[in-house]
Amino acid sequence: NAGVTQTPKFRVLKTGQSMTLLCAQDMNHEYMYWYRQDPGMGLRLIHYSVGEGTTAKGEVPDGYNVSRLKKQNFLLGLESAAPSQTSVYFCASEWNRDSPRSYEQYFGPGTRLTVT
Amino acid sequence: AQKVTQAQTEISVVEKEDVTLDCVYETRDTTYYLFWYKQPPSGELVFLIRRNSFDEQNEISGRYSWNFQKSTSSFNFTITASQVVDSAVYFCALSAYSGAGSYQLTFGKGTKLSVIP
Repeated sequence: NAGVTQTPKFRVLKTGQSMTLLCAQDMNHEYMYWYRQDPGMGLRLIHYSVGEGTTAKGEVPDGYNVSRLKKQNFLLGLESAAPSQTSVYFCASEWNRDSPRSYEQYFGPGTRLTVT
Repeated sequence: AQKVTQAQTEISVVEKEDVTLDCVYETRDTTYYLFWYKQPPSGELVFLIRRNSFDEQNEISGRYSWNFQKSTSSFNFTITASQVVDSAVYFCALSAYSGAGSYQLTFGKGTKLSVIP
């Protein structure tokens, strides 16, 4: 199993450009999450999905959109990048709440995004 | 609202010393889970432990041990005989079900541990 993978690993954008980050998991997990990590801030939840075709806002959703068209993929989009979106982005996945291993989130390796 | 506080921003210890990382949490829910994650310099997040709110037994795994005390809302993490490979940022996290389908994992800001050879 590859676990949780993220594409790309690094990206530099100019202000106003758009891009999509891809998260893929091969563990048949029901739930998926996008976080951002900033220095001294820990991780903060951007958006999440509790199943194919569903998405919901987290703590810091502004400036981002997401889609979950397939169970194994969760896309994070930046329509018009801003320097404040410079961060490390982590994707995570989790079994559903009926699983004995519920609440354990498994993280991808992260994407380092710089917006100039 | 949920909150996790890791008051220690950075800790330095000499190899083989014991070190305890503190975590204090806040939640109104009676059912919740607590976690510790490790983030080594390479950047990935490694799951260490999950503890549910109904299980206050301490846990030991090799050199790692966790002390969960509901009375003080704390979930502290101790590394015994620290090693250089323990150098990392450690995050405490909380997940509580608030009855409205809340799925948020709330992280503390992390404690950076440096183990000096």
